[in-house]
Amino acid sequence: GDSVTQMEGPVTLSEEAFLTINCTYTATGYPSLFWYVQYPGEGLQLLLKATKADDKGSNKGFEATYRKETTSFHLEKGSVQVSDSAVYFCALTSGNTGKLIFGQGTTLQVKP
Amino acid sequence: EAQVTQNPRYLITVTGKKLTVTCSQNMNHEYMSWYRQDPGLGLRQIYYSMNVEVTDKGDVPEGYKVSRKEKRNFPLILESPSPNQTSLYFCASSLSSNYGYTFGSGTRLTVV
Repeated sequence: GDSVTQMEGPVTLSEEAFLTINCTYTATGYPSLFWYVQYPGEGLQLLLKATKADDKGSNKGFEATYRKETTSFHLEKGSVQVSDSAVYFCALTSGNTGKLIFGQGTTLQVKP
Repeated sequence: EAQVTQNPRYLITVTGKKLTVTCSQNMNHEYMSWYRQDPGLGLRQIYYSMNVEVTDKGDVPEGYKVSRKEKRNFPLILESPSPNQTSLYFCASSLSSNYGYTFGSGTRLTVV
């Protein structure tokens, strides 16, 4: 079945460092890909999305490109801030059921 | 404000006492879904609905029921809660299968 694999965390960075969180997927058909963020004590928020190959999603300085050839959707940010500390989830939907399949989540901690 | 509203936010109950967690969205979304989040297990789908009167099981439906009598509401029912249903529950809605879900703030349920 469809699945999402994220890099293990936690990831600890200093402020203004470059961030990459790796995400790869397995899916039949042509999935839509998402990154969600969960701040401490809160629900999940949609960070960005891409619905077809080579699309780039971007929001709040974060970017991810839908790479069909490598089945990847890596999250990047050029300069992280302490306020970016959160858990990041890669996810996909495939077909018309709308079922959202999550990766296991990656905890990011940014230190001043 | 466009949102998904869950109630209650926190609930402590006893084994076997029926309970309902309500979920309502004001965005006229077709798709709605329930997830539970557990440490080490990530986010797992309980039930989902693609439209009014159309619901289907997710990955962990045992011990739960749902109904979708109207588009905006998607309550989660635990007929006889057990301690292994202690978890953080999220309701979510989406306009379409690839639009991206909006999540509620979560319901932290403890069954003793």
